Amino acid sequence: GQSLEQPSEVTAVEGAIVQINCTYQTSGFYGLSWYQQHDGGAPTFLSYNALDGLEETGRFSSFLSRSDSYGYLLLQELQMKDSASYFCAVRDMRGGGNKLTFGTGTQLKVEL
Amino acid sequence: DTEVTQTPKHLVMGMTNKKSLKCEQHMGHRAMYWYKQKAKKPPELMFVYSYEKLSINESVPSRFSPECPNSSLLNLHLHALQPEDSALYLCASSQDPSGTGGRTNEKLFFGSGTQLSVL
Repeated sequence: GQSLEQPSEVTAVEGAIVQINCTYQTSGFYGLSWYQQHDGGAPTFLSYNALDGLEETGRFSSFLSRSDSYGYLLLQELQMKDSASYFCAVRDMRGGGNKLTFGTGTQLKVEL
Repeated sequence: DTEVTQTPKHLVMGMTNKKSLKCEQHMGHRAMYWYKQKAKKPPELMFVYSYEKLSINESVPSRFSPECPNSSLLNLHLHALQPEDSALYLCASSQDPSGTGGRTNEKLFFGSGTQLSVL
């Protein structure tokens, strides 16, 4: 089965850098995705890592270590609008690989 | 158009009612999904359609009945629901259901959801 663990809550101040970790156990592995969800909103795709290393997209970066079954999302120059829930996700190879399983989720609170 | 549109946004229904949730996308995506999300929890997969055929049913009770009339539309028919079925129901789509990975295939586009309350 699939298991993805994240810290439940992270608090940081505006302008700071924050890292959200994700450790996973899967029966097969394509790559690790990250989604952002504001309260009452839809999850939106942030990033995807299939290979080890760091992927940078503007203020957001995502890192993957396949050997450690570990990844993280790095948010720089935090803004109030970054307050949201963040989910890591992996694709299950069963069922044709169309099952995307989400992690437990991390609520990020950005304070002034 | 990079949107997934869901209707209605809110729905209140009794346990004996029959209702349907609707989802539409015009991005040419061939995989469509229904997820259920409780407050402060991650989305949980219910159903996946690949090329208009049901490919995954995550042991969902039969009171939830999905339908994919064509490649752009996805419905979820609801009947005899229970109060514990109250949740946010999210529809999503992705480009290629082959499951071969890659950034394009991994990106799911979600609708804003239907907030369902069962009384």
